[in-house]
Amino acid sequence: GAGVSQTPSNKVTEKGKYVELRCDPISGHTALYWYRQSLGQGPEFLIYFQGTGAADDSGLPNDRFFAVRPEGSVSTLKIQRTERGDSAVYLCASSLTGDGVTDTQYFGPGTRLTVL
Amino acid sequence: AQSVTQLGSHVSVSEGALVLLRCNYSSSVPPYLFWYVQYPNQGLQLLLKYTSAATLVKGINGFEAEFKKSETSFHLTKPSAHMSDAAEYFCAVSEGNQGGKLIFGQGTELSVKP
Repeated sequence: GAGVSQTPSNKVTEKGKYVELRCDPISGHTALYWYRQSLGQGPEFLIYFQGTGAADDSGLPNDRFFAVRPEGSVSTLKIQRTERGDSAVYLCASSLTGDGVTDTQYFGPGTRLTVL
Repeated sequence: AQSVTQLGSHVSVSEGALVLLRCNYSSSVPPYLFWYVQYPNQGLQLLLKYTSAATLVKGINGFEAEFKKSETSFHLTKPSAHMSDAAEYFCAVSEGNQGGKLIFGQGTELSVKP
C-alpha cells in the first residue's frame, strides 16, 4: 500500500513569510509524528498526534510553530514569520497505534524548507 | 532525559569488510532502541529494534545489533559490507510509554569502497 507522503517536497520562502507543510499518513494509522532534521544532524522530535489531538508537543521550538490534524488523518505543520534558522528537512512519520514498544514508525521522504 | 551518541560521523569500509557503527545511549528507564537507515532522497527505514526481549537483535539486510546494558551500548554490525549499504545510519532511543517519541543520534554516514 501507499506509504507516508509529504507535500511539497521542496519549499523556498522568504524570511517573515508563512508556510504550511502537509503530511498524509498511512491509511488507518492513528499516530502521527513530526520531526525536523537540520543539516548534518539527526531528526529532532517536534510533535506527536494520537488521533486528532496533540498528545505531546514538547518539541515545538516556539509559538511560531503549530500543527493540526483535524480529522485524525492528514496533518499540517504551520510555521509563522519564518526565520533562516527554520531551514531544515521536516519529516513526518505515522504508526498504527502509537505504542512505543510494539509499533514501528514509517517515515515520509520529507519536505526541504529553505528560508532565504 | 534520554540521549543517544553515535561515535563517528563518517565510517568508511571496503566491500566485504565488517561494518561496525557505534551507538551509546543514556536513559533513566529501561530503553527501547532502534537503528534506522536513510538512503539518499528516501525516508528513514527501520533496520531493527530492541524492546527488552533478546539482547541480540537481527534486522533486515543482514544487520544485527547487541544491547549491552553494562556498557549502555547498542552497536550495529554487519559481517560483510555491500556497496548498497552506503547510506546514513541513525540510532534512536524511546521510553516506550510516551507515544513512541524517538530521540535520534546525529547519524553516521557509511561509505563502502569497491
